[in-house]
Amino acid sequence: SQQGEEDPQALSIQEGENATMNCSYKTSINNLQWYRQNSGRGLVHLILIRSNEREKHSGRLRVTLDTSKKSSSLLITASRAADTASYFCATDAGNQGGKLIFGQGTELSVKP
Amino acid sequence: NAGVMQNPRHLVRRRGQEARLRCSPMKGHSHVYWYRQLPEEGLKFMVYLQKENIIDESGMPKERFSAEFPKEGPSILRIQQVVRGDSAAYFCASSPVQTGDTQYFGPGTRLTVL
Repeated sequence: SQQGEEDPQALSIQEGENATMNCSYKTSINNLQWYRQNSGRGLVHLILIRSNEREKHSGRLRVTLDTSKKSSSLLITASRAADTASYFCATDAGNQGGKLIFGQGTELSVKP
Repeated sequence: NAGVMQNPRHLVRRRGQEARLRCSPMKGHSHVYWYRQLPEEGLKFMVYLQKENIIDESGMPKERFSAEFPKEGPSILRIQQVVRGDSAAYFCASSPVQTGDTQYFGPGTRLTVL
C-alpha cells in the first residue's frame, strides 16, 4: 500500500541547531502536509505544500518538495527544546479521495 | 472557533464490550476522517464521511467497526466486541472541502482494552 517513509526515524540535536527530516512517497500527489505530534497528544498541522510548489516557509520551518524524486524535506532552523516531538509527513493519495497517507514519523529530540 | 473535539479522551473497555468514540468537527467543516494510531506507529486511515454519507471506508476492518456522521450531532466510530488489538489512539480530523485542503485533528481518544 502507498505509504510515506521518513528518515531519520530518530534525530537528536542541541538547541540552536537545525533539524532536517526527509519524507518519501510512492505515487502522485496533489499536496503534502507536515504535522507535529507531542507525546501522547494530537496532531498539529504545520504546513501544506502543493504539488506545483517547490518550497514553502512558515516561521522557522522550511519545506521543500521534489515531485520528480517523490520526496519532501522539513527543515527546522534554530531549534528549541519545545520542538521536541514526532514529525509526520502525509500525502493526499492523489486521486484516492480525501484520505491522508502518513509516514512512520521522525522522533526529534532537542536537548537544551 | 473551537477546534475538532473528541470524547472521551480516554476509554477503557473489557474484551467483548462496545466502544463508542465521538467526534465533533470544526465549525463549518462537513468532511470528517477517522485514523488509528497503534503504539510507535504512524496514523492509518480508517474512514472518510460527509454528512449522512460514507465516502471511503477502505481502511475500516471488515468486521466489528462502523462509523456514521448523522445530519445532526457528532460523528461516531463504533467498535463492537472489542479485542486487545483494538487498543490504540483514534484520531478524528475535519476539513471544509475534500481534496487539497488541510485536515485539522482532534486530540484523540485513547482506547485501552483490558
